[in-house]
Amino acid sequence: QITLKESGPTLVKPTQTLTLTCTFSGFSLSTRSVGVTWIRQPPGKAPEWLALIYWDGAEHFSPSLRRRLTVTKDTSKNQVVLTMTNVDPMDTATYYCAHGRGWLSDPWGPGLLVTVSS
Amino acid sequence: EIVLTQSPDTLSLSPGERVTLSCRASQDVGDDYLSWFQQKPGQPPRLLIYNALIRAAGIPDRFSGSGSGTDFTLTINRLEPEDFAMYYCHQHAYAPLTFGGGTKVDI
Repeated sequence: QITLKESGPTLVKPTQTLTLTCTFSGFSLSTRSVGVTWIRQPPGKAPEWLALIYWDGAEHFSPSLRRRLTVTKDTSKNQVVLTMTNVDPMDTATYYCAHGRGWLSDPWGPGLLVTVSS
Repeated sequence: EIVLTQSPDTLSLSPGERVTLSCRASQDVGDDYLSWFQQKPGQPPRLLIYNALIRAAGIPDRFSGSGSGTDFTLTINRLEPEDFAMYYCHQHAYAPLTFGGGTKVDI
């Protein structure tokens, strides 16, 4: 059974750097064609894809957020870390990580609501 | 960026009814890279349909998907009380991956 869980701060101040960790089980990020995706969902809005890191280390980012995002993986710990710099109140959202079968995200973690406020 | 437009925004229905949700893509996404998700309040989206028409594991057969290219449909036969939720279509054919704005199926 594949499970994922997001962890990190639930409140950050504007201009700070947000670091989120996805800890997963039930699959390995060293398996071909497997990836971990990050998606966020502002309150009351549709999901927004952020980034994807593949088993081979290939990274893909939303063009609108590319300059602010970093994603890394630790295969031995079954973790993927997303870093977002210079956060703004518009970055307030529930952040999800998901198992990637190719580019398809399934399943998702329960999500972590992150609020950006001074 | 491929824009997905879902219609309608909201549907008010009763249990037992049949519902058809629409998703239109601004560019051809083929038929292998369009999926549908269901989301209930406080929960993450759950995969219902992938490759436009294949039900994900554990999804009841009252859910069906169809379409290809730019026009896709999710049909729910005989609405059950637990089906009242938000539904999103999603394309993963081209980066950036995108989601539709959602259709709320309301009781």
